[in-house]
Amino acid sequence: QVTLRESGPALVKPTQTLTLTCTFSGFSLSTNGMCVSWIRQPPGKALEWLGYIDWDDDKFYSTSLRTRLTISKDTSKNQVVLTMTNVDPVDTATYYCARMTLSYDWKESNYDYYGMDVWGPGTTVTVSS
Amino acid sequence: EIVLTQSPGTLSLSPGEGATLSCRASQAFRSTYLAWYQQKPGQAPRLLIYGASNRATGIPDRFSGSGSGTDFTLIISRLEPEDFAVYYCQHYGSLHSITFGQGTRLEIK
Repeated sequence: QVTLRESGPALVKPTQTLTLTCTFSGFSLSTNGMCVSWIRQPPGKALEWLGYIDWDDDKFYSTSLRTRLTISKDTSKNQVVLTMTNVDPVDTATYYCARMTLSYDWKESNYDYYGMDVWGPGTTVTVSS
Repeated sequence: EIVLTQSPGTLSLSPGEGATLSCRASQAFRSTYLAWYQQKPGQAPRLLIYGASNRATGIPDRFSGSGSGTDFTLIISRLEPEDFAVYYCQHYGSLHSITFGQGTRLEIK
């Protein structure tokens, strides 16, 4: 059974650095095609993708947030860590991690996408002084 | 970066009726890169459809997806009480970027 769970501080002060950890089980992030994505959702608003890390330790970030985000993984601990620098009250949101699967299509010379099929329950982060 | 526009913003229907939700992209892409999610209040999103038309594991067959190019559709054939939720379409880009639509709220009439 695949599970993911986010953890981290519930309250962060403006300008501080936020660090969130996604602890997962039931799959290996070193398996070809496996990825872990981070998504957030401000209260009452839509989902916003932040970034993802893949099996090959490649990282990809939202264009609007890339200068503030870092994603890393510890394969031995089955954890993915998201850090966000210089937080602001607009960063108040529920933060989710999710497993994402890709598969290389040799005929198309590109990846097929299988969606974010398992999500953590989310962790709520409030940015306030 | 592709922008996804979902319509309508809110859809009011009764149980037993059919629902049609639309997702339009700012530029065309391969249908393999389109997914749909359902989100209920206080819960994480749940994957419904990937590759525009493939149901995820455990998703009832009253949910179906279709479309290509810039126009994609999620159809719920006979609404059950548990289907009233917010639905998001999502694109995975060839340059590894991901975008979500703004969501369609499906509410009980």
